Amino acid sequence: QQQVKQSPQSLIVQKGGISIINCAYENTAFDYFPWYQQFPGKGPALLIAIRPDVSEKKEGRFTISFNKSAKQFSLHIMDSQPGDSATYFCAATAGNNRKLIWGLGTSLAVNP
Amino acid sequence: DTEVTQTPKHLVMGMTNKKSLKCEQHMGHRAMYWYKQKAKKPPELMFVYSYEKLSINESVPSRFSPECPNSSLLNLHLHALQPEDSALYLCASSQGTGPKPLHFGNGTRLTVT
Repeated sequence: QQQVKQSPQSLIVQKGGISIINCAYENTAFDYFPWYQQFPGKGPALLIAIRPDVSEKKEGRFTISFNKSAKQFSLHIMDSQPGDSATYFCAATAGNNRKLIWGLGTSLAVNP
Repeated sequence: DTEVTQTPKHLVMGMTNKKSLKCEQHMGHRAMYWYKQKAKKPPELMFVYSYEKLSINESVPSRFSPECPNSSLLNLHLHALQPEDSALYLCASSQGTGPKPLHFGNGTRLTVT
């Protein structure tokens, strides 16, 4: 049972374009939603995270949008660059639970 | 470079071998994790140590044995592994209690022959 559904599985964007990755969840107890970026041969690295008390969080070119009523959250990468080519994972967790529930990942390729 | 260091980077072992994976962090984090990651899949949680005590074991087979000698070190002892155990093994750490960012190492690429 996939508790966090992530789409699309893969994404190709032109340099300068906007990359959008979507995630949906069912468990209303989730209260922390991080996004991780993973390059080939490397471990995942936290990109940005949000809690459900805000609808949007922006860090540089990366923005998380959060829709609590729809139980959805998304990552927007503005002005996408070839260096953004990586796999992106959304995740969720609840309270003091140290177990992250991960989406299946999105492989992003940004063409020069 | 990450602040979580894992050694070795690559490991090839036979099914009768005993080997250990090592992880070290000096960020003062008191929670440390082992994850297993197969190609094109998200990381799967194996173990969590909190304040040097095992707090979560995700029903991992006993051929994987974790150890936390001190707050900076985490080991994963491997014995009698199967070829399907071949994967990237990731160590991570986090600060304090509650949902905190995980800091991952770059992993050990394990191949079981």
